[in-house]
Amino acid sequence: SQQGEEDPQALSIQEGENATMNCSYKTSINNLQWYRQNSGRGLVHLILIRSNEREKHSGRLRVTLDTSKKSSSLLITASRAADTASYFCATVNTNAGKSTFGDGTTLTVKP
Amino acid sequence: DAGVTQSPTHLIKTRGQHVTLRCSPISGHKSVSWYQQVLGQGPQFIFQYYEKEERGRGNFPDRFSARQFPNYSSELNVNALLLGDSALYLCASSQLGAGNTEAFFGQGTRLTVV
Repeated sequence: SQQGEEDPQALSIQEGENATMNCSYKTSINNLQWYRQNSGRGLVHLILIRSNEREKHSGRLRVTLDTSKKSSSLLITASRAADTASYFCATVNTNAGKSTFGDGTTLTVKP
Repeated sequence: DAGVTQSPTHLIKTRGQHVTLRCSPISGHKSVSWYQQVLGQGPQFIFQYYEKEERGRGNFPDRFSARQFPNYSSELNVNALLLGDSALYLCASSQLGAGNTEAFFGQGTRLTVV
C-alpha cells in the first residue's frame, strides 16, 4: 500500500460540523504536509508540520502528528460549503528529494 | 507576484508522439518538482530539480525526462506516449529542496493521449 494513505476515502457532513481526516505512512519522514485540491485543479498548500512537532494550527485547521504511530490527522472545524474538496497528505523525505502523496479524502460539505 | 505557471493548460496528443510541458516557478524559488495525477488518485512524484540538478526521481520509465534551466524554469518531456500517460501533470516550486519548505503548485497541464 502507499505511503501517505488518507482515511476515510470520502466524507460527507453538514455545514457547521467538524471534519477529521487521517493519514498513515510507513517510512521515516522529515515533515508532513496537507494540501487541498478543487475539482482536479492545482493543489493548495494548507499546513506543513515537521517531524519534531506534535500539533499545528492555522485558522480553522488543526493538524496533529504522531511519529510513533506514523500517523497524522487534519481537523477542519465549523466546516463551510466552500471546504468541499479533496484533501491530501504528503510525506516528505528531504534526503530522497521527494514528496509522496496518498489518494486523498474527498470531503463534501452540504449547505 | 505571479504564482507557478504551467503551459499549455490542455493538450491532446496521439500515441507514439512526444510532448514537452513547461513550468515557471515563483520568482526566487530554486526547486521544481513534477507530478503525474491520474483521475481519482493522488499525485505521483516524477522528478525534483534543485539548482538545475536532478535531486530526486520517481518510478517512471526512461520515456520521462526533465531539465531545469538557468532561470529555474523547467521542462518535462515524455516520449513515445501511451494511452496511460493521460493525466494531469503538476509542477510545484519551493524555495529550498523538496519538502524543506512549503511547495506551491501550478494549475497543471491536462494531457490526453488518444
